[in-house]
Amino acid sequence: GAGVSQSPSNKVTEKGKDVELRCDPISGHTALYWYRQSLGQGLEFLIYFQGNSAPDKSGLPSDRFSAERTGGSVSTLTIQRTQQEDSAVYLCASSVVGGESYEQYFGPGTRLTVT
Amino acid sequence: AQSVTQLDSQVPVFEEAPVELRCNYSSSVSVYLFWYVQYPNQGLQLLLKYLSGSTLVESINGFEAEFNKSQTSFHLRKPSVHISDTAEYFCAVSGGYSTLTFGKGTMLLVSP
Repeated sequence: GAGVSQSPSNKVTEKGKDVELRCDPISGHTALYWYRQSLGQGLEFLIYFQGNSAPDKSGLPSDRFSAERTGGSVSTLTIQRTQQEDSAVYLCASSVVGGESYEQYFGPGTRLTVT
Repeated sequence: AQSVTQLDSQVPVFEEAPVELRCNYSSSVSVYLFWYVQYPNQGLQLLLKYLSGSTLVESINGFEAEFNKSQTSFHLRKPSVHISDTAEYFCAVSGGYSTLTFGKGTMLLVSP
């Protein structure tokens, strides 16, 4: 079956512009995660959605970052007034909740470059 | 709070040699442990995981990792590496159905 998909695969934007990154999780996965992978920082958790519960936003680095998940499926990560330090690969993952897997399935990522 | 330490940022090794990638974690709760692999220009893939039961877990391509609770470690080993094992390896922990906390990764460089 289809895995987690993300779009765009690459995004180059000018400092100060807003960007939207999209994630399509695996069908039936109720949990969705956003992570950021950058040089020197490794993989950092950003935000976590689980079903209809309030999202865990504890990893968002500033109020310029926000995310939403519509209809319990597709998610959009928005970065406002981008800064050069926002340059990174943004990874989305999804998982089922229940059972004994605990595995998160990752998408290919969106490489964001802020010039 | 949880944290993961991967002591080696890069491990060079010759083909067919054994390798160990080290991972130590800290957590105030019971954890589940994972190794993910990222091949060049590809996404993250789960390599193996420890949830419960036998402390030695294996992957389909010859890697194994042993959960050592007393040493809070989950080192990854392979007795004989191949060129195709060249990749970045990430150790991660979670408390269950929750976010993953990753180490900073170890780049395994296998040369002929």
